[in-house]
Amino acid sequence: DGGITQSPKYLFRKEGQNVTLSCEQNLNHDAMYWYRQDPGQGLRLIYYSQIVNDFQKGDIAEGYSVSREKKESFPLTVTSAQKNPTAFYLCASSMNPGTGGHEQYFGPGTRLTVT
Amino acid sequence: GNSVTQMEGPVTLSEEAFLTINCTYTATGYPSLFWYVQYPGEGLQLLLKATKADDKGSNKGFEATYRKETTSFHLEKGSVQVSDSAVYFCALTAGNQGGKLIFGQGTELSVKP
Repeated sequence: DGGITQSPKYLFRKEGQNVTLSCEQNLNHDAMYWYRQDPGQGLRLIYYSQIVNDFQKGDIAEGYSVSREKKESFPLTVTSAQKNPTAFYLCASSMNPGTGGHEQYFGPGTRLTVT
Repeated sequence: GNSVTQMEGPVTLSEEAFLTINCTYTATGYPSLFWYVQYPGEGLQLLLKATKADDKGSNKGFEATYRKETTSFHLEKGSVQVSDSAVYFCALTAGNQGGKLIFGQGTELSVKP
């Protein structure tokens, strides 16, 4: 089955620790995205990548870092510099907007709790 | 800049009632428009989309028409079910934006038996 996997579903960390969230897709999509969702709010874009070894900051990139060494993988690191890291994190992917449709397909999400 | 505005929730309906969730947008050029649905504790699922003016997207009894003259993409369903209870997000992508989705704030729908 093609799709996007995120692991783990729930993650708990102590304040001051970095933590890496996994996102893998087997849809052969070029572009991948990370969003943050807070209770009762919409999604805000953290980082996105249109091609391997390249990525751009989204609207709320401070305190986060990413890498895109492989087409199918786009891990997100939440660093200790992120002031309010507790949130629901969603990964998405899409075909390259220049070659096809623009819809994004989402993973099941990782709920991060930092105490 | 590009933006999406949805009607505030929560929206509470009885089963078999008619549903409308309003969505209006601001964008330069000709955006593509989407409705996504999110069930509790899950990621987002694409519900329907429209890529040009007057297109009607439809899926699972839901439909929405891309109205350029009113910059709207309202979601409708003729008869809702309890299983439709979820949060609905309207979104757009605009040209030359790297495929980035701009989301509305979401509208929670609760359907009672």
